[in-house]
Amino acid sequence: AQSVTQLGSHVSVSEGALVLLRCNYSSSVPPYLFWYVQYPNQGLQLLLKYTSAATLVKGINGFEAEFKKSETSFHLTKPSAHMSDAAEYFCAVSDLEGGKLIFGQGTELSVKP
Amino acid sequence: EPEVTQTPSHQVTQMGQEVILRCVPISNHLYFYWYRQILGQKVEFLVSFYNNEISEKSEIFDDQFSVERPDGSNFTLKIRSTKLEDSAMYFCASSNRVDGELFFGEGSRLTVL
Repeated sequence: AQSVTQLGSHVSVSEGALVLLRCNYSSSVPPYLFWYVQYPNQGLQLLLKYTSAATLVKGINGFEAEFKKSETSFHLTKPSAHMSDAAEYFCAVSDLEGGKLIFGQGTELSVKP
Repeated sequence: EPEVTQTPSHQVTQMGQEVILRCVPISNHLYFYWYRQILGQKVEFLVSFYNNEISEKSEIFDDQFSVERPDGSNFTLKIRSTKLEDSAMYFCASSNRVDGELFFGEGSRLTVL
């Protein structure tokens, strides 16, 4: 069975600092991996996805993630945090047979001025 | 930009009452999903729907739940007799392919008293 673990339910960074949100996955087949963002009172929005092409994936708003098979990780990074990045971030793995996503627990990102 | 819309945004109901949550997926999409998020917990898969039938459901999706696509545009989730533990945010999602890039609505918050 596939699963995703996000380390840290809450991460706080200063504006301009590096953002690192951790995600580890478990999958018996080559995974499709996703990061979604949820702003307050909004739905889930796709940030980026990995579908077995380039291991470094660039997404919207300056975020990127690197797929590391040896570490079973798909960590999300952004070089310089902005106040508008404050949100909940979810890592997910796709069940390619049925198309459903299996989500991690989520990481709430706070950005301090 | 096409989007998934959900109604109502918030519904309060008494325990034991029936609730119907409505979703209008993106028009050319073929795969439809319901997820829920209990406050403070992860986003959980409920059910997927394709070609006018359920393709997969989770253990959460018991006999009290049903889904329907009554008119080719709406996609509804019905809870027959609500319980306190059904209180959650319910997200509808749709996709035009099975590789897992889901587009989510803004959610319907259900509060069961």
